[in-house]
Amino acid sequence: GQSLEQPSEVTAVEGAIVQINCTYQTSGFYGLSWYQQHDGGAPTFLSYNALDGLEETGRFSSFLSRSDSYGYLLLQELQMKDSASYFCAVRSNYQLIWGAGTKLIIKP
Amino acid sequence: EAGVTQFPSHSVIEKGQTVTLRCDPISGHDNLYWYRRVMGKEIKFLLHFVKESKQDESGMPNNRFLAERTGGTYSTLKVQPAELEDSGVYFCASSQALGKHYNEQFFGPGTRLTVL
Repeated sequence: GQSLEQPSEVTAVEGAIVQINCTYQTSGFYGLSWYQQHDGGAPTFLSYNALDGLEETGRFSSFLSRSDSYGYLLLQELQMKDSASYFCAVRSNYQLIWGAGTKLIIKP
Repeated sequence: EAGVTQFPSHSVIEKGQTVTLRCDPISGHDNLYWYRRVMGKEIKFLLHFVKESKQDESGMPNNRFLAERTGGTYSTLKVQPAELEDSGVYFCASSQALGKHYNEQFFGPGTRLTVL
C-alpha cells in the first residue's frame, strides 16, 4: 500500500522552532511537497523537494532524504498566524498522495 | 491574478440526487486536479486533467463520478446518483504545465458536499 505518516498534532511556543516529520511509503516517488491549511481554507503550497537536502524559504525550510523515505518541515520564529494544519504529500507519477496532516498549535 | 475558484461553496442534497461541482483554474494553467477530503481522513486524489485530456483518473471512486473539462478551461465534477459516503470537501487545484512551478498546485476553497 501507499502511506505517509506524520504526527497528528504538535504544540509549540510563539517565537520557537518546530519540526514536523513525514515518512512515506509509496510505489513511485518524484518529490515531497508541503502544504499549509488554515481551518476551512484552501491548502497553500509551501515547498517541494525532489532532491536530497534542505530547501529554505524565509522562516520555513524543508528537508528530504530519499534513502530514508523521510522529510521534514522546519518552521522558525513561530508566529500565531502559523497555527494551521500542515500536510506532506508525495508526488507519485501525476498524483499527490497525502498524509493526514499535522495540526500545529502555537501558544503565546 | 484571480485564484482557483469553485462553485458552489456548499451543497446539501439527498441521497440519489445529482450534483455538479464546478472549478475554474487559474488562467493559463494546463493542469487541473480534483481531490476529496472525507471527514477525518486524508485528502485523496481523484483525477488530473492536462488541458481537456484526462491524464490520470485512477482516483475516481466509481462510475457515479464523471469529470469533464471541455475546451481545456473550467472543469465539472458530477456525482450521479449521490450516496451518503460521497459527503466531504471537494478541492480543485491547478498548476502550470512546465518548469519549476509545475509542482506548485494552487487550490480552490473547496466545495463542501453533504449528502443526507
